[in-house]
Amino acid sequence: GAGVSQTPSNKVTEKGKYVELRCDPISGHTALYWYRQSLGQGPEFLIYFQGTGAADDSGLPNDRFFAVRPEGSVSTLKIQRTERGDSAVYLCASSLGTDNEQFFGPGTRLTVL
Amino acid sequence: GEDVEQSLFLSVREGDSSVINCTYTDSSSTYLYWYKQEPGAGLQLLTYIFSNMDMKQDQRLTVLLNKKDKHLSLRIADTQTGDSAIYFCAETNRDDKIIFGKGTRLHILP
Repeated sequence: GAGVSQTPSNKVTEKGKYVELRCDPISGHTALYWYRQSLGQGPEFLIYFQGTGAADDSGLPNDRFFAVRPEGSVSTLKIQRTERGDSAVYLCASSLGTDNEQFFGPGTRLTVL
Repeated sequence: GEDVEQSLFLSVREGDSSVINCTYTDSSSTYLYWYKQEPGAGLQLLTYIFSNMDMKQDQRLTVLLNKKDKHLSLRIADTQTGDSAIYFCAETNRDDKIIFGKGTRLHILP
């Protein structure tokens, strides 16, 4: 079956703009995670959904970052007033549950000019 | 704080064994993981070990865990060109989040 997909694969934007990054998890996976991977670093946890609700958003760096999962499937990560330091690869992962293997998507490379 | 440390680069001749080392700080980690990341692809879980084990073998992969020293290693036997990738060591922390190291880039020499 299909894996986790993320769109767009690349996004270039200007400082101060708003962006939305989309994640389509594996069908039936109730848990969904967002990570950010900066150049030369490992992925860093941002937020985790169980169903429709954000179970843990402690990794979001500030209030410019927000994520939703209104129907418990697709999730959108929203970044307001983008800054150059937001440039990174944003990874999404999904799993059957919190104790199950996380399957990662290919990521969205965000570049803020 | 939580930290996972690993060397950044490793070069190995094709056919030799690769050993990637990692140290971690959270003694409460339940699971420790090795992920593989190839260019343009998502992270792939290679293998994991439960914290009460000291060794796990899966085909060409051997994971060794020294819980006392908080040291984890991944050995890849008979390294092939397809093994060229970045390998991330990771642990689960007290909040069940996965904490990743910076990754070790494995380069295969002909």
